[in-house]
This record gives sequence, C-alpha cells and structure tokens, in this order.
Amino acid sequence: AQKVTQAQTEISVVEKEDVTLDCVYETRDTTYYLFWYKQPPSGELVFLIRRNSFDEQNEISGRYSWNFQKSTSSFNFTITASQVVDSAVYFCALAAGNNRKLIWGLGTSLAVNP
Amino acid sequence: EAGVTQFPSHSVIEKGQTVTLRCDPISGHDNLYWYRRVMGKEIKFLLHFVKESKQDESGMPNNRFLAERTGGTYSTLKVQPAELEDSGVYFCASSRRDRGNEQFFGPGTRLTVL
Repeated sequence: AQKVTQAQTEISVVEKEDVTLDCVYETRDTTYYLFWYKQPPSGELVFLIRRNSFDEQNEISGRYSWNFQKSTSSFNFTITASQVVDSAVYFCALAAGNNRKLIWGLGTSLAVNP
Repeated sequence: EAGVTQFPSHSVIEKGQTVTLRCDPISGHDNLYWYRRVMGKEIKFLLHFVKESKQDESGMPNNRFLAERTGGTYSTLKVQPAELEDSGVYFCASSRRDRGNEQFFGPGTRLTVL
C-alpha cells in the first residue's frame, strides 16, 4: 500500500522561528517521487519541490530546505526564519512506480504570527 | 505563460442537480489530472488524461462522474446527479509529457451540494 503521513495537523510559530514539517511515506516501489506543495489562503496548490528516490541529497532553496532520508522513509521540510507569508497549508505527496497519480498527506496548517 | 485555470471557482447546487466543472491546462501539457479534496480528508486522485485518452480513471468514485477531454485541450468533469457527499474542492492539474510527475495545479472549484 502507498501512504503519506503528515502527523502534524497544525503548527503555530512566531515570525523568525525555524519550523520543520514532517512527512513519512510508505511504498514498496523502489522508484518513486516525493513532492511538497503549498496551499496559501487563496486556495491554489503551488509546487515547491520534487525529489526522486535515487537522489538522497538534501536540497536548499532560499529559506526552504528538504531532508530526504530513505532509512526512515521521511521527507521533511524546514523553513528557516519563518515569515508571515509562509502561513499556508503544506502538503507532502508521493508518486510511485509507473503511476503518475499523487498520493497525498492530510496537510499541515502552518500559522506564522508576527 | 498562463497557468491552469478552472471554472467556476465556486458552485452551490442542490442534491439531484447536475454540475459541470471545467479545466483549462497549461498550453502544450499533454497530461491532465483531476483530484478532489473532501473536507477533513486527504486530496484524492480521480483520473488522468493523456491528450484525449483516459490513462487512469481508477479514482472515479462512481458512474455519476463523467470526465471528458475532447480534442486533448480543456477537460470537463460532470457530476450527475449530485449527492451531498460530492461536496469538496475539485482540483485540476497538468504536466508536460516528459515530466509527468511535475504537476501544476489550478485554483480548484469548491462544490457545495445542499
């Protein structure tokens, strides 16, 4: 079975704090892709990153960084020095094997307070 | 380049009525996907078109849902007759033929069935 678990339903931080959003996935396929999407209050889903199962290098993009660990089946997302504009729902998703369809976590609602 | 667009943004109908949702993908994207998020649950895959052909419709809930993509451009998703449990946000996404996993999403259509 394929599954994505985002155990944190809601997180609230104060601006400039660092925050990590957890994502744990399950799949029996050896080839798969992991994704993070951001859903701001306006509702659209904004693509943030895609990582394939053969590339365990961590990625940094500005204040965003991603930590992919196959040993723990995790693909965590860290926002450094959070800002109010980071407030959104963040989704982790999985596409495994030859499947193009995305399997989604429930999302983590992040509130960054001034 | 215009993003994925969806129409309408909101729709409120009564049980038993028919509703048609429309999605216009990014120009040149062969892949088109429909997803749905019911309140409190994860986003779920409905179906996948490659051009005008249905590649995977394993997520369609029942035969009250009909998706089409005539000419391989825009797609429609018709719900007939609508039931209360059909309420939710319907997302459309598209991707290039050679980067099928990198899906770009529209803003969604919020459907409320009363």
